[in-house]
Amino acid sequence: DAKTTQPNSMESNEEEPVHLPCNHSTISGTDYIHWYRQLPSQGPEYVIHGLTSNVNNRMASLAIAEDRKSSTLILHRATLRDAAVYYCILRRYNNNDMRFGAGTRLTVKP
Amino acid sequence: GAGVSQSPRYKVAKRGRDVALRCDSISGHVTLYWYRQTLGQGSEVLTYSQSDAQRDKSGRPSGRFSAERPERSVSTLKIQRTEQGDSAVYLCASSQGLSYEQYFGPGTRLTVT
Repeated sequence: DAKTTQPNSMESNEEEPVHLPCNHSTISGTDYIHWYRQLPSQGPEYVIHGLTSNVNNRMASLAIAEDRKSSTLILHRATLRDAAVYYCILRRYNNNDMRFGAGTRLTVKP
Repeated sequence: GAGVSQSPRYKVAKRGRDVALRCDSISGHVTLYWYRQTLGQGSEVLTYSQSDAQRDKSGRPSGRFSAERPERSVSTLKIQRTEQGDSAVYLCASSQGLSYEQYFGPGTRLTVT
């Protein structure tokens, strides 16, 4: 399975943008890039996903490098409620095997 | 609307005993997953089932894990002869189908003593 590499932790100030990086140099052509986040004492929550083009939704934006070997999750204005562990996952189309690694623990300071 | 719920939220079991964990998924969702989440090892899919089936896939990591789906939106994960290494958070998730985003429950924290 293609693996992802994320920093263990990041800090941000409230109301500022946050860029969470993810490296996936062994990504294959059929792998989608998914992002989930997990707040304390809760299950993971879907954030966004993409294949090749940049994606935007109400929660975040996903910027995908042209060679697809890296991607960045962008929170445009961090709030205290965005403090969570963010997971970058590669998921092959129609494949149910989705594995979460250690993720990036985001701390948001007021 | 109601999301995915799991019960119990916490379970303590003596080693060697069987346990059953329940998941109520979102109405209309076709695919239902069970994950195991541990500190340091992340989360992995244990088993999953699709719409019409009480069948389950994989049964990883061994045959001690199985899932039943008596109703479309209800699943029970059964762990036979629990071991201390089974201590983890067990997450249930459902989705509209293959490749759709998954909606997770809050998890059941199992402690095997």
